[in-house]
This record gives sequence, structure tokens and C-alpha cells, in this order.
Amino acid sequence: GAGVSQSPSNKVTEKGKDVELRCDPISGHTALYWYRQSLGQGLEFLIYFQGNSAPDKSGLPSDRFSAERTGGSVSTLTIQRTQQEDSAVYLCASSFQPTGSYNEQFFGPGTRLTVL
Amino acid sequence: RKEVEQDPGPFNVPEGATVAFNCTYSNSASQSFFWYRQDCRKEPKLLMSVYSSGNEDGRFTAQLNRASQYISLLIRDSKLSDSATYLCVVNMDPNTDKLIFGTGTRLQVFP
Repeated sequence: GAGVSQSPSNKVTEKGKDVELRCDPISGHTALYWYRQSLGQGLEFLIYFQGNSAPDKSGLPSDRFSAERTGGSVSTLTIQRTQQEDSAVYLCASSFQPTGSYNEQFFGPGTRLTVL
Repeated sequence: RKEVEQDPGPFNVPEGATVAFNCTYSNSASQSFFWYRQDCRKEPKLLMSVYSSGNEDGRFTAQLNRASQYISLLIRDSKLSDSATYLCVVNMDPNTDKLIFGTGTRLQVFP
């Protein structure tokens, strides 16, 4: 079956522009996560959606970052007024999350963002 | 102190060698532990979960020491295809599946 997909795979933008990154999770997965991975760094948690609950935005680095998940499926991560330090690979993951048990997160291939 | 710490390596080992990676975590309330594998320019993929009693999957053995807040991964009979970055991952919040990733340990297996 189809895995997590992300688009675009690569994005080059100029400093100060806004960008939107898209994630299509695996069908039926209720939880969706955004992470970013800077060069030589580990994955940094950004935001987490679970069903209809309010998202956990505790990892967003600034108010220039926002994300939404429409209809419990597709998610968009928006970065406004991009800065060079925003350059990274942005990874989306999804999982099927019944209450009380950990479920494997499946990652998409990521969007490589370069801010010039 | 980082929440999850790993030696970044690289570990350069010959085929057939046994290699061990270690990881420490800061939150004693952490519930779940994992090793993920990430190939160059690819997404992370779950290698194995780590259970309190220790667990083995073929050539891979994972162990957890809660008292020392320490996780390990042992790879026996290394293959060229084992070359990758191994990420130590901890779930610190039992109410969510939010994961905290270490920066990874890079393994290079040479012929």
C-alpha cells in the first residue's frame, strides 16, 4: 500500500518568502507528526496531530511556523518569512494510534528546504 | 544536557565484526525506547523496539538499563548493508507518541 508522501521533495526559496510543505499520511492513520532535521543534527519534533484533539505545537521554533491538518488527513506546514536557519529536511510521519499502546511511526521521504 | 545522547561516531568496522552502540536518556519517566535506522538522504525506519528484558532480532540485540538510563544496540557479523546511521529514540510522554531522537551514530562497514 501507499506510504507517507510529501511534496515538494525539494524547495529552494529566497529569504523572507513564505513556503508551504505538504504531507499525505497513510490512509487510516490518526496521528501525524512533523519533524525537521538540520545537517548533522538529530530529528527535532515540531508538531503533533492526533484525531480531533488540539495539536501539540510545543516544538514549533517560532511563530513563523504553523501547521494545519484538514479533514483529519492531509497536513500543511507553513513557514512565513523564511530565514536561512530554516534550511533543513522537513519530515512527516504518521501512525495508527489506538489508546494506550505505542505504534510505529512511518516517515515520508521529506522535503529538503533551502533558504538562500 | 541533551534529552537523548549518542556517540556520533563514525564507527568504521570490517565485515563480520561485532559493534555496539550506546545511548543515554535524561528523563527517568521515559516509557518506550527504540532504535531507528536512517540511510543517507533517506527517511528513518524502525529497526527494533527495546524492551526491559532485552530483545534480539537476528544479528541485532537491544538492551535497556532503566537504573542507568542507558540503551544499547549490538550488531553481530556486520554486513556491508548495515552501513547507516542508527538513531536512539525515546518516548518520554506516555500520553502521546511524541518521540525524542538522538543525533545518531554513523556506522560504516568495509570489505
